[in-house]
Amino acid sequence: AQSVSQHNHHVILSEAASLELGCNYSYGGTVNLFWYVQYPGQHLQLLLKYFSGDPLVKGIKGFEAEFIKSKFSFNLRKPSVQWSDTAEYFCAVNPNSGTYKYIFGTGTRLKVLA
Amino acid sequence: DAGVTQSPTHLIKTRGQQVTLRCSPKSGHDTVSWYQQALGQGPQFIFQYYEEEERQRGNFPDRFSGHQFPNYSSELNVNALLLGDSALYLCASGIKDGYNEQFFGPGTRLTVL
Repeated sequence: AQSVSQHNHHVILSEAASLELGCNYSYGGTVNLFWYVQYPGQHLQLLLKYFSGDPLVKGIKGFEAEFIKSKFSFNLRKPSVQWSDTAEYFCAVNPNSGTYKYIFGTGTRLKVLA
Repeated sequence: DAGVTQSPTHLIKTRGQQVTLRCSPKSGHDTVSWYQQALGQGPQFIFQYYEEEERQRGNFPDRFSGHQFPNYSSELNVNALLLGDSALYLCASGIKDGYNEQFFGPGTRLTVL
């Protein structure tokens, strides 16, 4: 069965620390990949997406992610986090086969200490 | 330009009751998908509607049904509510042709007592 794994369930960092959140998926075909963020009390917002081309994608608010096809991974990174990055982060995979079904990971709660 | 809107924001029901949740897609979008997000979990795909028909379904029982109207808005109906149906229900809209990018609404928080 298709699945998405986010290995870090809770992460606590100090401001200015670097962030890397892991995401691995199980699906053998072509995929579209997404990172969504959910700030406290707000709805899911798209951080960045990968459809094809350059495997290093840049998103909003200084986030970036790298698609490594051989590792079935799409890790999220940010060089220097801010207190305002405190949120829950979800990785999602969409098998690129004409389906709108997104498969989400269980999420990573990030807390940034001021 | 309004994004995806959902109503109501919160809802409390008792076991065995039926509930209807509503979603209006982002302007220009014609597909609607519904997701269930249980506490501490990621969203799980329920089904997707396009051209007023259910096009794809996730692993949810027939108690979950939906509808899409000619104006692309959608309803999610859940019959015979169970305690385990308590969750945040998310609606996502998109455009059929393209890269399957979807925009999510704020959700409806359903509590079943």
